[in-house]
Amino acid sequence: QVLLQESGPGLVKPSQTLSLTCTVSGASITGGTYFWSWIRQHPGKGLEWIGYIYYTGSTFYNSSLMDRLSMSVDTSKNQFSLTLNSVTAADTAVYYCARIGLTTGYFGPWGQGTLVTVSS
Amino acid sequence: LVLTQSPATLSLSPGERATLSCGASQSVSSRFLAWYQQKPGLAPRLLIYDASNRATDIPDRFSGSGSGTDFTLTISRLEPEDFAVYYCQHYGGSPRVTFGQGTRLEIK
Repeated sequence: QVLLQESGPGLVKPSQTLSLTCTVSGASITGGTYFWSWIRQHPGKGLEWIGYIYYTGSTFYNSSLMDRLSMSVDTSKNQFSLTLNSVTAADTAVYYCARIGLTTGYFGPWGQGTLVTVSS
Repeated sequence: LVLTQSPATLSLSPGERATLSCGASQSVSSRFLAWYQQKPGLAPRLLIYDASNRATDIPDRFSGSGSGTDFTLTISRLEPEDFAVYYCQHYGGSPRVTFGQGTRLEIK
């Protein structure tokens, strides 16, 4: 069974950097047929795709965030990470990590999600 | 690409049939059109992929159809556990992944 688990601070100050990590268990992140993705959901709102990364380090970002966004992968730890700079209250959201098939295009499994609040 | 779901909210009773729509701003391949169900406090769950294929362990009362710019999720007979928010999603366009804004299915 493939499981994903988000970790990171639940509170970030405005203008600072949001950093989250997703730990994958039950499958190797280098498996080759999947992208590893971040999705967020503002309180009471819909889903917003942030971006995804391949195990080689190739990335695809949502253009609305790409100026502040960076993703990385640590194959030795079977983890991938998200860094979002210069955060504002508008970045307050539940952040999910999820796997998406290269050739199938759908997400699954998902992590449970982690709420990140941007506030001083 | 923009996916527009309608209605925003659908109020029905258990046992009724639900029809949820997802419209694409341009023609898309049904190969990469998926539907998810999300309940409060939980991550979304894949229901349908490739527009019409049920995911593993999804009851057969859920079905998907459509092509081009118009896609539909149908729940034939609503069960109490089906009341949730539903999202459509497309992969491969610009942006690479697009979600619809969701339809809230509520108990009437």
